[in-house]
Amino acid sequence: AQSVTQLGSHVSVSEGALVLLRCNYSSSVPPYLFWYVQYPNQGLQLLLKYTSAATLVKGINGFEAEFKKSETSFHLTKPSAHMSDAAEYFCAVGPERLAFGKGNQVVVIP
Amino acid sequence: GAVVSQHPSRVICKSGTSVKIECRSLDFQATTMFWYRQFPKQSLMLMATSNEGSKATYEQGVEKDKFLINHASLTLSTLTVTSAHPEDSSFYICSARGTSGLTDTQYFGPGTRLTVL
Repeated sequence: AQSVTQLGSHVSVSEGALVLLRCNYSSSVPPYLFWYVQYPNQGLQLLLKYTSAATLVKGINGFEAEFKKSETSFHLTKPSAHMSDAAEYFCAVGPERLAFGKGNQVVVIP
Repeated sequence: GAVVSQHPSRVICKSGTSVKIECRSLDFQATTMFWYRQFPKQSLMLMATSNEGSKATYEQGVEKDKFLINHASLTLSTLTVTSAHPEDSSFYICSARGTSGLTDTQYFGPGTRLTVL
Protein backbone atom coordinates (compact mmCIF):
# COMPACT_ATOMS: atom_id res chain seq x y z
CA ALA A 1 0.00 0.00 0.00
CA GLN A 2 1.08 3.56 -0.63
CA SER A 3 0.40 6.63 1.45
CA VAL A 4 1.41 10.25 1.80
CA THR A 5 1.66 12.46 4.86
CA GLN A 6 1.36 16.22 4.61
CA LEU A 7 1.63 18.04 7.91
CA GLY A 8 0.10 21.41 8.66
CA SER A 9 -3.20 21.82 6.86
CA HIS A 10 -2.82 25.61 6.74
CA VAL A 11 0.44 27.31 5.85
CA SER A 12 0.86 31.08 6.01
CA VAL A 13 3.75 32.70 4.21
CA SER A 14 4.66 36.33 3.63
CA GLU A 15 4.87 37.58 0.08
CA GLY A 16 8.48 37.22 -1.06
CA ALA A 17 9.34 34.62 1.58
CA LEU A 18 10.26 30.98 1.07
CA VAL A 19 7.44 28.51 0.53
CA LEU A 20 8.12 25.06 2.00
CA LEU A 21 5.53 22.29 1.95
CA ARG A 22 6.52 18.94 3.40
CA CYS A 23 5.57 15.56 1.99
CA ASN A 24 6.61 12.18 3.29
CA TYR A 25 5.60 9.01 1.52
CA SER A 26 5.36 5.31 2.12
CA SER A 27 5.62 2.89 -0.75
CA SER A 28 6.52 -0.77 -1.16
CA VAL A 29 7.61 -0.17 -4.76
CA PRO A 30 9.77 2.54 -6.34
CA PRO A 31 7.48 5.54 -6.10
CA TYR A 32 6.30 8.07 -8.60
CA LEU A 33 5.67 11.32 -6.74
CA PHE A 34 3.57 14.29 -7.74
CA TRP A 35 2.66 17.73 -6.52
CA TYR A 36 -0.63 19.17 -7.70
CA VAL A 37 -2.17 22.60 -7.07
CA GLN A 38 -5.89 23.27 -6.81
CA TYR A 39 -7.53 26.67 -7.01
CA PRO A 40 -11.05 27.13 -5.61
CA ASN A 41 -13.71 25.17 -7.46
CA GLN A 42 -11.22 23.88 -10.00
CA GLY A 43 -9.53 20.60 -10.80
CA LEU A 44 -5.93 19.75 -10.06
CA GLN A 45 -3.04 21.15 -12.03
CA LEU A 46 0.25 19.28 -12.16
CA LEU A 47 3.10 21.29 -10.67
CA LEU A 48 5.86 18.72 -11.01
CA LYS A 49 6.60 15.01 -10.85
CA TYR A 50 9.36 12.59 -9.94
CA THR A 51 9.47 9.36 -11.95
CA SER A 52 12.89 7.90 -11.09
CA ALA A 53 15.06 10.30 -13.09
CA ALA A 54 16.74 13.38 -11.58
CA THR A 55 16.11 13.74 -7.86
CA LEU A 56 15.75 17.53 -8.04
CA VAL A 57 12.68 18.28 -10.08
CA LYS A 58 11.73 21.69 -11.39
CA GLY A 59 8.13 22.48 -12.11
CA ILE A 60 5.91 25.30 -13.21
CA ASN A 61 5.54 28.69 -11.53
CA GLY A 62 9.01 28.55 -9.96
CA PHE A 63 8.37 25.49 -7.78
CA GLU A 64 10.79 22.66 -7.30
CA ALA A 65 10.98 19.51 -5.20
CA GLU A 66 13.73 17.13 -4.17
CA PHE A 67 13.29 13.39 -3.87
CA LYS A 68 15.20 11.99 -0.88
CA LYS A 69 14.91 8.25 -0.66
CA SER A 70 16.71 8.02 2.68
CA GLU A 71 14.19 10.37 4.23
CA THR A 72 11.19 9.13 2.16
CA SER A 73 10.48 12.77 1.43
CA PHE A 74 9.48 14.93 -1.51
CA HIS A 75 9.23 18.46 -0.13
CA LEU A 76 8.03 21.30 -2.34
CA THR A 77 9.75 24.69 -2.30
CA LYS A 78 9.58 28.07 -3.96
CA PRO A 79 12.16 30.74 -3.11
CA SER A 80 9.81 33.72 -3.18
CA ALA A 81 6.06 33.51 -2.60
CA HIS A 82 3.68 35.43 -4.81
CA MET A 83 0.09 36.34 -4.07
CA SER A 84 -0.99 34.05 -6.91
CA ASP A 85 0.48 31.07 -5.04
CA ALA A 86 -2.45 31.09 -2.63
CA ALA A 87 -4.14 27.73 -3.26
CA GLU A 88 -4.43 24.15 -2.03
CA TYR A 89 -1.43 21.90 -2.66
CA PHE A 90 -1.59 18.12 -2.75
CA CYS A 91 1.25 15.60 -2.72
CA ALA A 92 0.48 12.21 -4.26
CA VAL A 93 2.30 8.91 -4.69
CA GLY A 94 1.88 6.50 -7.58
CA PRO A 95 2.52 5.06 -10.09
CA GLU A 96 -0.80 3.32 -10.51
CA ARG A 97 -3.65 4.39 -8.24
CA LEU A 98 -2.65 7.70 -6.72
CA ALA A 99 -2.75 8.14 -2.97
CA PHE A 100 -3.15 11.77 -1.99
CA GLY A 101 -2.12 13.61 1.11
CA LYS A 102 -4.64 15.74 2.99
CA GLY A 103 -3.37 18.89 1.34
CA ASN A 104 -1.90 22.22 2.44
CA GLN A 105 -3.92 25.39 2.19
CA VAL A 106 -1.38 28.12 1.45
CA VAL A 107 -2.19 31.68 2.43
CA VAL A 108 0.10 34.45 1.21
CA ILE A 109 0.27 37.52 3.43
CA PRO A 110 0.96 40.82 1.68
CA GLY B 1 -1.09 19.36 -24.20
CA ALA B 2 -2.79 16.72 -22.02
CA VAL B 3 -6.05 18.56 -21.50
CA VAL B 4 -9.02 16.94 -19.81
CA SER B 5 -12.50 18.43 -19.84
CA GLN B 6 -15.60 17.69 -17.81
CA HIS B 7 -19.20 18.46 -18.52
CA PRO B 8 -21.21 19.86 -16.91
CA SER B 9 -19.16 22.01 -14.57
CA ARG B 10 -22.10 22.43 -12.23
CA VAL B 11 -25.40 20.59 -11.91
CA ILE B 12 -28.33 20.87 -9.55
CA CYS B 13 -30.90 18.09 -9.51
CA LYS B 14 -33.81 16.83 -7.48
CA SER B 15 -33.51 13.86 -5.19
CA GLY B 16 -34.25 10.60 -6.99
CA THR B 17 -33.07 11.70 -10.42
CA SER B 18 -29.99 10.50 -12.27
CA VAL B 19 -27.12 12.68 -13.39
CA LYS B 20 -24.49 11.92 -16.01
CA ILE B 21 -21.04 13.53 -15.94
CA GLU B 22 -18.72 13.34 -18.94
CA CYS B 23 -14.94 13.28 -18.85
CA ARG B 24 -13.01 13.76 -22.09
CA SER B 25 -9.35 13.75 -22.96
CA LEU B 26 -9.11 16.44 -25.63
CA ASP B 27 -5.66 16.02 -27.13
CA PHE B 28 -4.57 12.53 -26.16
CA GLN B 29 -5.90 9.01 -25.91
CA ALA B 30 -6.62 7.84 -22.38
CA THR B 31 -6.37 4.14 -21.78
CA THR B 32 -7.24 4.63 -18.14
CA MET B 33 -9.51 7.14 -16.47
CA PHE B 34 -10.12 7.68 -12.79
CA TRP B 35 -13.04 9.15 -10.89
CA TYR B 36 -12.56 10.97 -7.60
CA ARG B 37 -14.84 12.58 -5.10
CA GLN B 38 -13.84 15.54 -3.00
CA PHE B 39 -15.71 16.88 0.00
CA PRO B 40 -15.23 20.49 1.11
CA LYS B 41 -11.82 21.17 2.60
CA GLN B 42 -10.79 17.56 2.12
CA SER B 43 -8.53 15.55 -0.12
CA LEU B 44 -9.51 13.48 -3.13
CA MET B 45 -10.95 10.04 -2.64
CA LEU B 46 -10.61 7.58 -5.50
CA MET B 47 -13.97 6.09 -6.41
CA ALA B 48 -13.11 3.90 -9.39
CA THR B 49 -10.68 3.14 -12.16
CA SER B 50 -11.89 2.52 -15.68
CA ASN B 51 -10.04 1.08 -18.62
CA GLU B 52 -11.31 1.54 -22.14
CA GLY B 53 -13.57 -1.30 -23.18
CA SER B 54 -13.71 -3.07 -19.84
CA LYS B 55 -15.65 -2.86 -16.60
CA ALA B 56 -14.61 -0.31 -14.02
CA THR B 57 -12.86 -1.32 -10.83
CA TYR B 58 -14.50 0.26 -7.80
CA GLU B 59 -12.84 1.12 -4.52
CA GLN B 60 -14.05 -0.50 -1.37
CA GLY B 61 -17.21 1.11 -0.09
CA VAL B 62 -18.26 2.63 -3.42
CA GLU B 63 -21.61 1.34 -4.66
CA LYS B 64 -21.17 0.23 -8.24
CA ASP B 65 -24.92 0.22 -8.89
CA LYS B 66 -25.19 3.80 -7.73
CA PHE B 67 -22.15 5.18 -9.53
CA LEU B 68 -22.21 3.74 -13.04
CA ILE B 69 -19.03 4.21 -15.03
CA ASN B 70 -18.66 3.70 -18.75
CA HIS B 71 -15.40 4.06 -20.66
CA ALA B 72 -16.56 3.39 -24.19
CA SER B 73 -13.76 5.08 -26.09
CA LEU B 74 -10.18 6.20 -25.62
CA THR B 75 -11.30 9.79 -25.11
CA LEU B 76 -14.53 9.53 -23.13
CA SER B 77 -15.61 8.19 -19.78
CA THR B 78 -18.93 8.88 -18.09
CA LEU B 79 -20.05 8.72 -14.48
CA THR B 80 -23.78 8.39 -13.86
CA VAL B 81 -25.05 9.00 -10.36
CA THR B 82 -28.30 7.05 -10.20
CA SER B 83 -31.18 7.96 -7.92
CA ALA B 84 -29.18 10.80 -6.46
CA HIS B 85 -29.72 11.87 -2.85
CA PRO B 86 -28.50 14.93 -0.93
CA GLU B 87 -25.60 12.94 0.55
CA ASP B 88 -24.28 12.46 -3.02
CA SER B 89 -23.71 16.20 -3.27
CA SER B 90 -20.00 16.67 -3.81
CA PHE B 91 -17.27 17.77 -6.18
CA TYR B 92 -16.52 15.01 -8.69
CA ILE B 93 -13.19 15.09 -10.53
CA CYS B 94 -11.95 12.81 -13.26
CA SER B 95 -8.42 12.20 -14.41
CA ALA B 96 -6.93 10.50 -17.42
CA ARG B 97 -3.71 8.65 -18.04
CA GLY B 98 -2.53 8.38 -21.58
CA THR B 99 -0.68 6.03 -23.83
CA SER B 100 2.95 6.35 -24.89
CA GLY B 101 4.66 9.37 -23.39
CA LEU B 102 1.81 10.12 -21.02
CA THR B 103 1.54 6.88 -19.09
CA ASP B 104 3.13 8.00 -15.84
CA THR B 105 0.94 10.99 -15.02
CA GLN B 106 -2.73 11.56 -14.35
CA TYR B 107 -4.15 14.72 -15.88
CA PHE B 108 -7.17 16.10 -14.12
CA GLY B 109 -10.38 17.64 -15.36
CA PRO B 110 -11.79 20.85 -13.89
CA GLY B 111 -14.38 19.03 -11.80
CA THR B 112 -18.19 18.91 -11.59
CA ARG B 113 -20.07 20.36 -8.65
CA LEU B 114 -23.17 18.23 -7.98
CA THR B 115 -25.88 19.55 -5.71
CA VAL B 116 -28.84 17.28 -4.95
CA LEU B 117 -31.87 19.02 -3.49
